[in-house]
Amino acid sequence: QVQLVESGGGVVQPGTSVRLSCTVSGFTLALSPMHWVRQVPGKGLEWVAFMSNDGKIENHADSVRGRLIVSRDNSKSTLFLQMNSLRAEDTAFYYCVRDRGDGSFDHWGQGALVTVSS
Amino acid sequence: SYVLTQPPSVSVAPGKTAKISCEGENIRRDSVHWYQQRPGQAPVQVIYSTTDRPSGISERFSGSKSGNTATLIITGVEAGDEADYYCQVSDGILALWFFGGGTKLTVL
Repeated sequence: QVQLVESGGGVVQPGTSVRLSCTVSGFTLALSPMHWVRQVPGKGLEWVAFMSNDGKIENHADSVRGRLIVSRDNSKSTLFLQMNSLRAEDTAFYYCVRDRGDGSFDHWGQGALVTVSS
Repeated sequence: SYVLTQPPSVSVAPGKTAKISCEGENIRRDSVHWYQQRPGQAPVQVIYSTTDRPSGISERFSGSKSGNTATLIITGVEAGDEADYYCQVSDGILALWFFGGGTKLTVL
């Protein structure tokens, strides 16, 4: 079955960097557009980043553009989120999400918690 | 930016019908998608393309749209339906995705 497993979360200091990984199985990553969506604990969902199946098209939310960067390695069935210059307001669960192909999200990972704190 | 407005909370008695609205200025032209998020869990898609139900989702879940308001309808509400529900749309031209603020469904 389809699985998305995030890793790389944890507690990090403000201004530092961390990279999240999302390893997928049960489908061919190279055929699927992918996203990152985040959720501050107790708050709503916020779309963060998108990358097309071939990696040629990407976009990021204004709130993270220039600091959080999506990438992918289809040969390793892995999506990444490089998180730089982290701020307290980046503290959230980060979900790796597959795009159904119609702009909706049909499969979600379990989420990785990133806590930015000194 | 695309603002989607949902009521913060909806309450319904077991066995009754719950309706959760999602209002946005361009919804009349866009597909709307819905997600259920139970406490401590990742979201699950319950409706896509405004009215379609993913495989494995109960027939009690349905979606509709009228003008600039989309509605998630849950018939025969059960205790297990208590969760947060989010609507979502996308702008395919600008490659941007948007969520509503979420609605907490309480089963009385």
